[in-house]
Amino acid sequence: EVQLVESGGALVQPGGSLRLSCAASGFTFNTYKMHWVRQAPGKGLEWTSYISRSSGTKDYADSVKGRFTISRDNAKNLVYLQMDNLRAEDTAVYYCARGEGPDYCSSSTCHGFGYWGQGTLVTVSS
Amino acid sequence: EIVLTQSPGTLSLSPGERATLSCRASQSFSRSSLAWYQQKPGQPPRLLIYGASSRAAGTPDRFSGSGSGTHFTLTISRLEPDDFAVYFCQQYGSSPITFGQGTRLDIK
Repeated sequence: EVQLVESGGALVQPGGSLRLSCAASGFTFNTYKMHWVRQAPGKGLEWTSYISRSSGTKDYADSVKGRFTISRDNAKNLVYLQMDNLRAEDTAVYYCARGEGPDYCSSSTCHGFGYWGQGTLVTVSS
Repeated sequence: EIVLTQSPGTLSLSPGERATLSCRASQSFSRSSLAWYQQKPGQPPRLLIYGASSRAAGTPDRFSGSGSGTHFTLTISRLEPDDFAVYFCQQYGSSPITFGQGTRLDIK
């Protein structure tokens, strides 16, 4: 069974840092592209970042570029989101999601996000 | 950035009725890069449709997707009680990946 389990969410002050983790199981982790998507309380979905299978390609939304860093450890089946210089508007539930698609898919996903974790809440407030 | 606008914001229907949800894009893109998700309170989104019209594994056949260019539609042929939720469209063909703001499907 495919599972994605996020952790690391917390209450942090503006300007602070936090590292989220997403533990993957039930599939061959290093063959899938991974994403982080966030959802502010009562709001819609916002894609934040993407990492390719080998970490060779990364991409970010403008709203987090220069502050967030996505990484992965294929030996440990983990994907991370390092969040620095946090702002109140970063308050959200953060989901990791698996990008679906065939091996020849050159995009960050070709068939959408087929599996999502349950999310971890990040609250930025003084 | 491709902006996706969903309508209506809220749709109130009864079980057994047909639901039609719209997703319009600020610019044309490949229909192969459009997905629909269902989200229930306290749960992550669930992929329903990808490539505008391909059902994801486990998606009931009462859900269908159509459209191309800048206008896409999710149709639920006969609503069941489990279908009342929020629905999001998503484009993943160009960066940044974007989502529509969502359509809430309520029980009338």
